[in-house]
Amino acid sequence: NAGVTQTPKFQVLKTGQSMTLQCAQDMNHEYMSWYRQDPGMGLRLIHYSVGAGITDQGEVPNGYNVSRSTTEDFPLRLLSAAPSQTSVYFCASQRGSSSYEQYFGPGTRLTVT
Amino acid sequence: QQPVQSPQAVILREGEDAVINCSSSKALYSVHWYRQKHGEAPVFLMILLKGGEQKGHEKISASFNEKKQQSSLYLTASQLSYSGTYFCGTETNTGNQFYFGTGTSLTVIP
Repeated sequence: NAGVTQTPKFQVLKTGQSMTLQCAQDMNHEYMSWYRQDPGMGLRLIHYSVGAGITDQGEVPNGYNVSRSTTEDFPLRLLSAAPSQTSVYFCASQRGSSSYEQYFGPGTRLTVT
Repeated sequence: QQPVQSPQAVILREGEDAVINCSSSKALYSVHWYRQKHGEAPVFLMILLKGGEQKGHEKISASFNEKKQQSSLYLTASQLSYSGTYFCGTETNTGNQFYFGTGTSLTVIP
């Protein structure tokens, strides 16, 4: 099992550009989430999904879109990048509800100039 | 809704013990603990559920006081490999959203 994979590992964008961060898991997990991690702020939930076709907003959803067309994939789209979106982004999956541990991908380090 | 962790940072010598606390203002359904080493992804340590069920790491223990909405992580006989940032994560009784604390940096020195 590859677990949770994320691409790219690093990305530099100019303000206003759009892009998609990819996330895939091969553990047949129902739940998937996107977090951003900023220094001193911990991990903050952007969007999450409890199954294919079902997504919901987290704590900091503005400027991001998600979709979940398959169980395996959960891409995160930045619509119009802003410097405030410079961060490390982690995708996570878990088997079900919060009774189960989250497995994190290796992260994407995004810089917006 | 972000839980509050204390202390923010701690330095230990090998073999010493540490306690990291996590406190929420909301009624909690579960508390998770994760450790993150620099430049890496967080790794699962422990889950504590409302009602007393625990799942996790053999050498690390934790407690969950449901009435006070608090959890503590106990690191005993610390090893150099325990160094990293520890995060608690919480889910409230009222929804699916998960909130992480701001982290506790733990450094173990020889």
